[in-house]
Amino acid sequence: KAGVTQTPRYLIKTRGQQVTLSCSPISGHRSVSWYQQTPGQGLQFLFEYFSETQRNKGNFPGRFSGRQFSNSRSEMNVSTLELGDSALYLCASSLGLAGATDTQYFGPGTRLTVL
Amino acid sequence: GESVGLHLPTLSVQEGDNSIINCAYSNSASDYFIWYKQESGKGPQFIIDIRSNMDKRQGQRVTVLLNKTVKHLSLQIAATQPGDSAVYFCAENQEGADGLTFGKGTHLIIQP
Repeated sequence: KAGVTQTPRYLIKTRGQQVTLSCSPISGHRSVSWYQQTPGQGLQFLFEYFSETQRNKGNFPGRFSGRQFSNSRSEMNVSTLELGDSALYLCASSLGLAGATDTQYFGPGTRLTVL
Repeated sequence: GESVGLHLPTLSVQEGDNSIINCAYSNSASDYFIWYKQESGKGPQFIIDIRSNMDKRQGQRVTVLLNKTVKHLSLQIAATQPGDSAVYFCAENQEGADGLTFGKGTHLIIQP
């Protein structure tokens, strides 16, 4: 079974631009969660989507948004990019809602650099 | 919110020795714990998990121990190999919580 895939793998943008990242979960998985990884803050939860609905949200500004499609694929969007948005953005999928019963499996990430 | 932490940012071990990576958590309501391994340029890879109703779980060459009394989690890797070199993260979750909470990570270095 194919793992979680993320596109693109690398992205360079300038301040003020917006960016859209894509994630395809493991076949059959209905939940997609997004995380931001930086050297200073580590791995931080952004949001989770299940059945096309945002179920949980981390402590990030409204510039960070996402959506999920009927085939469970998900996109996240960051508008008005700031230098501090440079990070590795990771997507994880799980069978059901990510909680105390479902393991999350991660993709390789998208490395975003904001200049 | 409360966070999960690791005791050491770097751990260096001899090839063939056993490795023990520790993690302390602060949320007493956490009921699910996971260890991930992240190699350079890759996403976190699931290693092993444990639920709060257990205190030990074994996998292939790995064992996770959970001590809920002192809120401590450890990952033991037997006969450490060069391929074990990576950053190891513990993560915790709570039913209904907002996503996994990760520790800062321990970089495991294997000495030949």
